[in-house]
Amino acid sequence: ELKVEQNPLFLSMQEGKNYTIYCNYSTTSDRLYWYRQDPGKSLESLFVLLSNRAVKQEGRLMASLDTKARLSTLHITAAVHDLSATYFCAVDGGLQGAQKLVFGQGTRLTINP
Amino acid sequence: NAGVTQTPKFRILKIGQSMTLQCTQDMNHNYMYWYRQDPGMGLKLIYYSVGAGITDKGEVPNGYNVSRSTTEDFPLRLELAAPSQTSVYFCASSYGGPRSPLHFGNGTRLTVT
Repeated sequence: ELKVEQNPLFLSMQEGKNYTIYCNYSTTSDRLYWYRQDPGKSLESLFVLLSNRAVKQEGRLMASLDTKARLSTLHITAAVHDLSATYFCAVDGGLQGAQKLVFGQGTRLTINP
Repeated sequence: NAGVTQTPKFRILKIGQSMTLQCTQDMNHNYMYWYRQDPGMGLKLIYYSVGAGITDKGEVPNGYNVSRSTTEDFPLRLELAAPSQTSVYFCASSYGGPRSPLHFGNGTRLTVT
């Protein structure tokens, strides 16, 4: 059974600092997704990672995937308040066709001025 | 462009009542999904559909039913509501294939008392 674990679950940062969120998963997959959720809102796609050593960057966020270690990271550079949200990683446990995503518990990120 | 639309936004049910959560998308996506999100947790897949007339169970299907008579609509039916079904329900859709992230609706917050 595929399990996805994120850490930390809660993260309080100061603006301008760097930090990394980790996503570990238990079975082989090369399809990993990062989503952002603002309080009381829906989920928004951030990154799609589909191969070993894949790296994607958007603004102050950078995501990477190591399929051999079954590990993805979401790195935040010089954090700003607008990045405060809950971040989820999700791994596709299906073989083909529909995405059968298994989500991590989420990391609630708070960035303080 | 409305994207994925869910109704209602909020609903309170008594134990044993039934209801249908509506989901419609205008992006001509073949793939549609229902997830539930319990407080402080990641999303869990309830049911999914790969096209009109084709549905399949996800991780937590018990107590729910779905149908997919058109490409646009994917309603979720709760029969004999139980307190354990108190959750936020998200509908999502995608073109299909690993490169296509899910597009989520705004969610339905359901309370069963």
